[in-house]
Amino acid sequence: GAGVSQSPSNKVTEKGKDVELRCDPISGHTALYWYRQSLGQGLEFLIYFQGNSAPDKSGLPSDRFSAERTGGSVSTLTIQRTQQEDSAVYLCASSFVGGLANEQFFGPGTRLTVL
Amino acid sequence: GQQLNQSPQSMFIQEGEDVSMNCTSSSIFNTWLWYKQDPGEGPVLLIALYKAGELTSNGRLTAQFGITRKDSFLNISASIPSDVGIYFCAGWNTGTASKLTFGTGTRLQVTL
Repeated sequence: GAGVSQSPSNKVTEKGKDVELRCDPISGHTALYWYRQSLGQGLEFLIYFQGNSAPDKSGLPSDRFSAERTGGSVSTLTIQRTQQEDSAVYLCASSFVGGLANEQFFGPGTRLTVL
Repeated sequence: GQQLNQSPQSMFIQEGEDVSMNCTSSSIFNTWLWYKQDPGEGPVLLIALYKAGELTSNGRLTAQFGITRKDSFLNISASIPSDVGIYFCAGWNTGTASKLTFGTGTRLQVTL
């Protein structure tokens, strides 16, 4: 079946602009995660959605970052007033809670470049 | 945020050689996962480990869950060029249901 998809694949923006990144999880997966990966680094957790529960926002680096998940499916990560240090690959993952513990499946990522 | 320590950071090996890499943590995890990331792609799950001492294979890949629950090892036998990429370990605990803690990554390059 279809995997996790993300759009756009690449985004170049000017400092101070807002950006929206989209994630379509695997159908039937109830959990959705956002991570950030800076060049040559590991993955940094940002936010987690599970069903109708309040999201775990503990990884968001500042209040310029927010995310929504509508209808328990598609998610949008929004970065307001982008800064150069926001440049990174933003990865989305989904998993089926109740199955094997936390086997997360990743999308291809959105590469964000802030000029 | 917290990251697991992986070693080596990078390695160059010749095709056909075996590869070993490990991941260590200062805290206990009850699940260990190994991912591979190709350039421009998201990480792909290779192996999942759920029990201390567990040894699990997936083709040429073998991973072990350390008995202290603070480490894990990944071995690749008879490497081939398509093994090139970055390998990440990740740890997870039941009490932290939301997030995986990722390692710093091991970059593998295979020469012919």
